[in-house]
Amino acid sequence: RKEVEQDPGPFNVPEGATVAFNCTYSNSASQSFFWYRQDCRKEPKLLMSVYSSGNEDGRFTAQLNRASQYISLLIRDSKLSDSATYLCVVFPSGGSYIPTFGRGTSLIVHP
Amino acid sequence: DAGITQSPRHKVTETGTPVTLRCHQTENHRYMYWYRQDPGHGLRLIHYSYGVKDTDKGEVSDGYSVSRSKTEDFLLTLESATSSQTSVYFCAISEDRRNYGYTFGSGTRLTVV
Repeated sequence: RKEVEQDPGPFNVPEGATVAFNCTYSNSASQSFFWYRQDCRKEPKLLMSVYSSGNEDGRFTAQLNRASQYISLLIRDSKLSDSATYLCVVFPSGGSYIPTFGRGTSLIVHP
Repeated sequence: DAGITQSPRHKVTETGTPVTLRCHQTENHRYMYWYRQDPGHGLRLIHYSYGVKDTDKGEVSDGYSVSRSKTEDFLLTLESATSSQTSVYFCAISEDRRNYGYTFGSGTRLTVV
């Protein structure tokens, strides 16, 4: 099992739709979690952190399920500008400070 | 946005030549990283630094070396470029190794012919 797994997609949705992505991780002791957004031919940019209690930023909601070892990203009312690849990032516990990146999930929002 | 710049943005080089990529930050962050990104592989860590003159290898370090003589600069050198090193290279910085995530530079597109 890969350390961090994402469905590569693409998820093809119409404007206004709600879409959700999951990211599973194998290390139960993982400590910190993030979602990044990467536009085509651009660098990844931090979208949001993922907290145990869940967190929301406008149309975006991130959640962590430690029991099942996955994090999720929910996007409501999708916009054309949400089209991008979404990467999940998992930081281990303990002394290591090297995270594992998922390979990303591609989202295409069409008119 | 955080102050991190990479140079050059694009480079074409011949097989067997040495190449140095530069990452410069103005944030005084302790941690710096070099990644490469290729289709089907995602982001892979090449080398990282946790302080001046403190560096370590990542998962794909063969054929690469790094140096960090100042907090703000992290150099990646391809000692003898090969076609398999054609890639997009991203530098990243981090203030706190786990709690704040990374900020990435804009990337360097390197083509080895």
